Amino acid sequence: SAVISQKPSRDICQRGTSLTIQCQVDSQVTMMFWYRQQPGQSLTLIATANQGSEATYESGFVIDKFPISRPNLTFSTLTVSNMSPEDSSIYLCSADVSGGAKEQYFGPGTRLTVT
Amino acid sequence: QQQVKQSPQSLIVQKGGISIINCAYENTAFDYFPWYQQFPGKGPALLIAIRPDVSEKKEGRFTISFNKSAKQFSLHIMDSQPGDSATYFCAAIIQGAQKLVFGQGTRLTINP
Repeated sequence: SAVISQKPSRDICQRGTSLTIQCQVDSQVTMMFWYRQQPGQSLTLIATANQGSEATYESGFVIDKFPISRPNLTFSTLTVSNMSPEDSSIYLCSADVSGGAKEQYFGPGTRLTVT
Repeated sequence: QQQVKQSPQSLIVQKGGISIINCAYENTAFDYFPWYQQFPGKGPALLIAIRPDVSEKKEGRFTISFNKSAKQFSLHIMDSQPGDSATYFCAAIIQGAQKLVFGQGTRLTINP
């Protein structure tokens, strides 16, 4: 298993600004994942982040809006850029300690409200 | 074909009863099926998982039943307790793929 922490746990931001969310894993992992979850809804994958390479984005998500860094095997950041109220959501990171994607452990999430 | 369809959307069960959540898929390339439990304000937690070469897997009060021919799998919670009240997500993944496909989620409420 893995213990994953996220910072901040929640934030209220003004439209047009950017927020960087940090994700820390207690062990080295190859792949980290970033998701968005609207309250009461399922999880939508934003991108997959491998250390040492560019993140792979899902359809509907672009690097200019959601830049991701992966500087080492235990840490990643997701930035939500030029925010609008539509970006209000819960952002989750996850990782699979087995090196794949099938047994993902999730962080507690970051609740973002954009006013 | 990449979808996993989950039902019901919400479920209310009396304490001590059996909770059953169902999922169906189309893509026969899926070869791993985990279930996640999510409490309000928390991230999803891996609960139990099954491979398609097994028809049933049990861990404590939680059992996954898998019907490969019907392309369906279900989560059974025996002796359901108020502490089981949470949202449950089924998921599926193709071996070697880098993406879990999640169901829509089931909000389970166990009445005391």
